[in-house]
Amino acid sequence: SQQGEEDPQALSIQEGENATMNCSYKTSINNLQWYRQNSGRGLVHLILIRSNEREKHSGRLRVTLDTSKKSSSLLITASRAADTASYFCATNSGYSTLTFGKGTMLLVSP
Amino acid sequence: DARVTQTPRHKVTEMGQEVTMRCQPILGHNTVFWYRQTMMQGLELLAYFRNRAPLDDSGMPKDRFSAEMPDATLATLKIQPSEPRDSAVYFCASGFATEQFFGPGTRLTVL
Repeated sequence: SQQGEEDPQALSIQEGENATMNCSYKTSINNLQWYRQNSGRGLVHLILIRSNEREKHSGRLRVTLDTSKKSSSLLITASRAADTASYFCATNSGYSTLTFGKGTMLLVSP
Repeated sequence: DARVTQTPRHKVTEMGQEVTMRCQPILGHNTVFWYRQTMMQGLELLAYFRNRAPLDDSGMPKDRFSAEMPDATLATLKIQPSEPRDSAVYFCASGFATEQFFGPGTRLTVL
């Protein structure tokens, strides 16, 4: 069953704009991760934020976590056409497994 | 460049046939996962192993699916008999609670 739910389901922007995707989850977590999936490929790990962290940066990625609201956001700044992909949040609740949301499809047009 | 590999990449079969999918996890990763991805259900965890022992296969239909790790370099997922509703992309991943590394997937079509 899905724990994370991404919002929006699809997002279309122009190159250079920022893209923001949100994720809500239901139960307490140890960490939350974001993954990217290019069409026809496997998922690739982007960034992890632990439950005691509020914000994390990696290159053009910025992730926030609000455990009181059980939500996270992924911001991609200065987007590029190569960022076109589906983005998934995944929650870890203390075991080895992750529970994935259904993803946000991001289209970045040149 | 260590990667998870999966074979076959594509499989088309007829209902009732046996399907076997194979995965080679990254050397040194002791936890291996099998997922199924469909448009309707998204990414679902079918089963996972640690040190080759099955820890959880509650996501799998037990009557037709089976997952094994004959050795540390090979994980298999079998469907027998296959049904049209099994059509999906099946991913293997290896790694840890902090990061999983996914293979390219096997796209299965059951006619």
